[in-house]
Amino acid sequence: TQLLEQSPQFLSIQEGENLTVYCNSSSVFSSLQWYRQEPGEGPVLLVTVVTGGEVKKLKRLTFQFGDARKDSSLHITAAQPGDTGLYLCAGADEGRGSTLGRLYFGRGTQLTVWP
Amino acid sequence: DVKVTQSSRYLVKRTGEKVFLECVQDMDHENMFWYRQDPGLGLRLIYFSYDVKMKEKGDIPEGYSVSREKKERFSLILESASTNQTSMYLCASRRPRDTGELFFGEGSRLTVL
Repeated sequence: TQLLEQSPQFLSIQEGENLTVYCNSSSVFSSLQWYRQEPGEGPVLLVTVVTGGEVKKLKRLTFQFGDARKDSSLHITAAQPGDTGLYLCAGADEGRGSTLGRLYFGRGTQLTVWP
Repeated sequence: DVKVTQSSRYLVKRTGEKVFLECVQDMDHENMFWYRQDPGLGLRLIYFSYDVKMKEKGDIPEGYSVSREKKERFSLILESASTNQTSMYLCASRRPRDTGELFFGEGSRLTVL
């Protein structure tokens, strides 16, 4: 079951442009994480957002968690070639028992930034 | 430096062979996970383990089994490999908090001929 819809699937832009990646769901999550994956490597955590409405900034990256904790966005300002990679969002199940804390991943956004 | 190590980066197997994918973490994490990653499908959870000798099915457990005899090691087993199991397999570990960061290995790319 794909609980998280991530868009767009592909994004190809020029250096200096801004972009936004969206992660949407009909489910409520206890937290949401964003990962970045480069070719030949495993995903690496960028940020975790926990509180509805929370905004976190990481240099040129801005992450927002929706008020209802069902959606999130990643905005990159003045993209650089070094930002190229696969961006994945992952929501943590707020259920009980064995599903508590389980992460559900979106399908990813492949970002390419051209010099 | 914390590390999740997957035993093989690349494997080529034939249909029907038994395949073992090994994963070792040095962070004393209780939780460990096996995902497969396919283009356009993202990461799909195969199995996870909350602690030693515990295992839970994920979303796509069919054709796979796992073993967690020691805390640091989580093995994925393909009893009889099939071509539709050609994929990238990612192991991850985490402390048992729902906001905990997943630490991933570099992945094992399996090709089944």
